Amino acid sequence: DSGVTQTPKHLITATGQRVTLRCSPRSGDLSVYWYQQSLDQGLQFLIQYYNGEERAKGNILERFSAQQFPDLHSELNLSSLELGDSALYFCASSVEARGINEQFFGPGTRLTVL
Amino acid sequence: GQQVMQIPQYQHVQEGEDFTTYCNSSTTLSNIQWYKQRPGGHPVFLIQLVKSGEVKKQKRLTFQFGEAKKNSSLHITATQTTDVGTYFCAGHIQGAQKLVFGQGTRLTINP
Repeated sequence: DSGVTQTPKHLITATGQRVTLRCSPRSGDLSVYWYQQSLDQGLQFLIQYYNGEERAKGNILERFSAQQFPDLHSELNLSSLELGDSALYFCASSVEARGINEQFFGPGTRLTVL
Repeated sequence: GQQVMQIPQYQHVQEGEDFTTYCNSSTTLSNIQWYKQRPGGHPVFLIQLVKSGEVKKQKRLTFQFGEAKKNSSLHITATQTTDVGTYFCAGHIQGAQKLVFGQGTRLTINP
C-alpha cells in the first residue's frame, strides 16, 4: 500500500460523457501527478500540481483538466469522452516539486468508454 | 521533445536466465529512477541513481548509471517467476523540472 488512494477503481461510461477521477496523495506529499496508461503502453505524463498550483504539463488533451484542492487532493476531469480515452489512469505523489524524489503511485482508475 | 528511450520493449526468458533492460537519453540526466509494475498492479519505486558511474545492487538486481549520465541499465541475475512485470526507467532531465518515463520493458518468464 503506497498511501495514495484513487477513486473510483473502475468506471464505465459512454462516449460524449464527462467523468471525474479523484486522488488523495500520501500524507505530507505536496505534488500530485497524473498519468495515462493505455493497453500495452507506457506511462504518459498528463499533468503535475504542486501545493495547489499547476507545475508541469505533459500530453494532456484540451478535453481534460485537473486541479488540486487546498487539502491537496486532486481531481482529473475528462470530458467529451472518446473510445480512445479508455485507459488506466494513475495518480502519483511525491514530497517535492522537481521530480527528484521517488513517486508513489495509487492503484489506478480503469476507465472504459463504450 | 525530451525523451527517454528504453529497450527492449518485450523480453521473454526461461526461469534462471539473466535479463537486462537499457535506458537511453539524448540529454544529460540529473538522476534516474527505476520502477516495477506487476501485471494488474501499479508502478512501484525500486531505486534512484544520482552519481555518474553509480552502481547499486538489490539482491539479484544490479542498477547502473552511465558515466555521461545519459544511460542506465537494470540487470537481473537468475530470474525467478516473481520478477515478471514491466520495468520502467524514469529520468530527471537536467534543467527540466519533471520526470520522463521510458516506455518500459515487459518481462515474461517461462517456469
